[in-house]
Amino acid sequence: EAGVAQSPRYKIIEKRQSVAFWCNPISGHATLYWYQQILGQGPKLLIQFQNNGVVDDSQLPKDRFSAERLKGVDSTLKIQPAKLEDSAVYLCGAGSNTGELFFGEGSRLTVL
Amino acid sequence: GDSVTQMEGPVTLSEEAFLTINCTYTATGYPSLFWYVQYPGEGLQLLLKATKADDKGSNKGFEATYRKETTSFHLEKGSVQVSDSAVYFCALRGSNSGYALNFGKGTSLLVTP
Repeated sequence: EAGVAQSPRYKIIEKRQSVAFWCNPISGHATLYWYQQILGQGPKLLIQFQNNGVVDDSQLPKDRFSAERLKGVDSTLKIQPAKLEDSAVYLCGAGSNTGELFFGEGSRLTVL
Repeated sequence: GDSVTQMEGPVTLSEEAFLTINCTYTATGYPSLFWYVQYPGEGLQLLLKATKADDKGSNKGFEATYRKETTSFHLEKGSVQVSDSAVYFCALRGSNSGYALNFGKGTSLLVTP
């Protein structure tokens, strides 16, 4: 099973500040995903990478969110400036050859 | 577009009760279907999956059968335990979406002793 490392686990910021989350799919899977999970809702796809290229970023609010995956391994997701409604858990997932997604524990963001 | 609809929770059951969590989907083509579980304070974990019609996924006493005629993938367990308390997510991967998953809203399950 793939291991997916994420950091930080928790982050509290004030609105209009910036924040960055990091993800490392330890086993080096080619496909990487960032999902946003707002409290009480299911995860929503923000962006999908294949190696270091973007496959789908249609639901990424590009005016404030950005993501990159240099060298096709680890990835960062940035929010600048943050809004109250960005409070959520940000999940990173790695895709296996069998089509399953393995997720990290997530990064919980609270925007005050 | 593709979507998944789950029964709303929370669901509260006594230990050893029978569990059903309903899930229906809308998709073109032939999607793959998944159930993920999220225990308190932890990330999402794959519970079971089915990739074609009439397939039955099973794991840890949980089962779900891919029913194309009713577009359903209901999760069942014959006898729940307190340790099954978690949030359960039904998910779909469309035939044209790469490996990205489309999740339902989740169903919270609380099992009491």
